[in-house]
Amino acid sequence: DTGVSQNPRHKITKRGQNVTFRCDPISEHNRLYWYRQTLGQGPEFLTYFQNEAQLEKSRLLSDRFSAERPKGSFSTLEIQRTEQGDSAMYLCANGGADEKLFFGSGTQLSVL
Amino acid sequence: DQQVKQNSPSLSVQEGRISILNCDYTNSMFDYFLWYKKYPAEGPTFLISISSIKDKNEDGRFTVFLNKSAKHLSLHIVPSQPGDSAVYFCAAVEYGNKLVFGAGTILRVKS
Repeated sequence: DTGVSQNPRHKITKRGQNVTFRCDPISEHNRLYWYRQTLGQGPEFLTYFQNEAQLEKSRLLSDRFSAERPKGSFSTLEIQRTEQGDSAMYLCANGGADEKLFFGSGTQLSVL
Repeated sequence: DQQVKQNSPSLSVQEGRISILNCDYTNSMFDYFLWYKKYPAEGPTFLISISSIKDKNEDGRFTVFLNKSAKHLSLHIVPSQPGDSAVYFCAAVEYGNKLVFGAGTILRVKS
């Protein structure tokens, strides 16, 4: 158990619907990352926060994706108007003072 | 353009033998590397890391070797156990402490 909690574990939605995922990180670690993983690939970076500030967004993150981290604690990732290509596992990771990241169990999204 | 490559999609070894997983990278600016293990329906779990100032780091049954001139890493697991069966990801640290992952290698340890 890495202490990083993600909800829900699974989400099935219809194309065009909006979905929101939540990540509750380890409280003393100020860096929070979102990654996406598809079958047969490694996790791909989406965005990251230092405390409440969103410092970088990947070009993979289209305008339909938005992430927030109010008050530098939990984070949410919202996908608007979902497409079938959004089907993937969405991983949240938390980092402290060193280079190691601790991942949650992920949210598996299936867009029908 | 993949900066971190794991060219073997899968590896099968007998219990008790050595498992060797390989990783190559293209960006000479990378100076810190990590290995993660992932079971199905779970997130990646940190295994072992190495800084570019070293060429070897050992932790129990796991040893990571780094050859900077060849831009090559390897993870050795000895002896391999059935519980080691998982997907192994090599990752390099980029600016902002972001991790760049390879595509992973599926390790199957047969008993």
